[in-house]
Amino acid sequence: AQTVTQSQPEMSVQEAETVTLSCTYDTSENNYYLFWYKQPPSRQMILVIRQEAYKQQNATENRFSVNFQKAAKSFSLKISDSQLGDTAMYFCAFMKHPNTGTASKLTFGTGTRLQVTL
Amino acid sequence: NAGVTQTPKFRILKIGQSMTLQCTQDMNHNYMYWYRQDPGMGLKLIYYSVGAGITDKGEVPNGYNVSRSTTEDFPLRLELAAPSQTSVYFCASSLMMGRSNSPLHFGNGTRLTVT
Repeated sequence: AQTVTQSQPEMSVQEAETVTLSCTYDTSENNYYLFWYKQPPSRQMILVIRQEAYKQQNATENRFSVNFQKAAKSFSLKISDSQLGDTAMYFCAFMKHPNTGTASKLTFGTGTRLQVTL
Repeated sequence: NAGVTQTPKFRILKIGQSMTLQCTQDMNHNYMYWYRQDPGMGLKLIYYSVGAGITDKGEVPNGYNVSRSTTEDFPLRLELAAPSQTSVYFCASSLMMGRSNSPLHFGNGTRLTVT
């Protein structure tokens, strides 16, 4: 079974600054995906970024980037130029590569609550 | 473009009552999922379905039932509500894309309180 650990229950960052959220995972799989989801107060789950384990290059999406360290089983999220709208819960999630016909089941961490302040 | 729609948004049940949480998606996705999110925790998989007529248990299926009679709908049934089922419930869907994988699309959740 896979486990995902987010060791930072809460973090705070000032607007326009950079913040890094940590995530570690444990798996015996070699082929998998990692995700960061954002959950604002509206409760909606929004995909922020994803990384395929077979890709060495770190994924980036505008102000969001990851530091994927496969050997260390670490997958941190960096948010640059933080905005007030980034205030939310952030969940790290793991999914082993699905075989054709199998479902894409996610294993989630417990989340990090990020507060962006003025 | 509705995506994944869940109803109701909120519900309060008494212990022992039953109810069905509705979920429908209009993206023609093969796969659908039900997750629950307890306070301060991540989401845990209750049940999932890889297509109409096929369902399977996730991590925490006890106390729930599902059905998948159509591609669009994936209702979650609570037969005898218990306080331990107080949670926020999320429905999600995804599309099988050969050997690659599409991300999950989530509904906005149903907050259920059992007292």
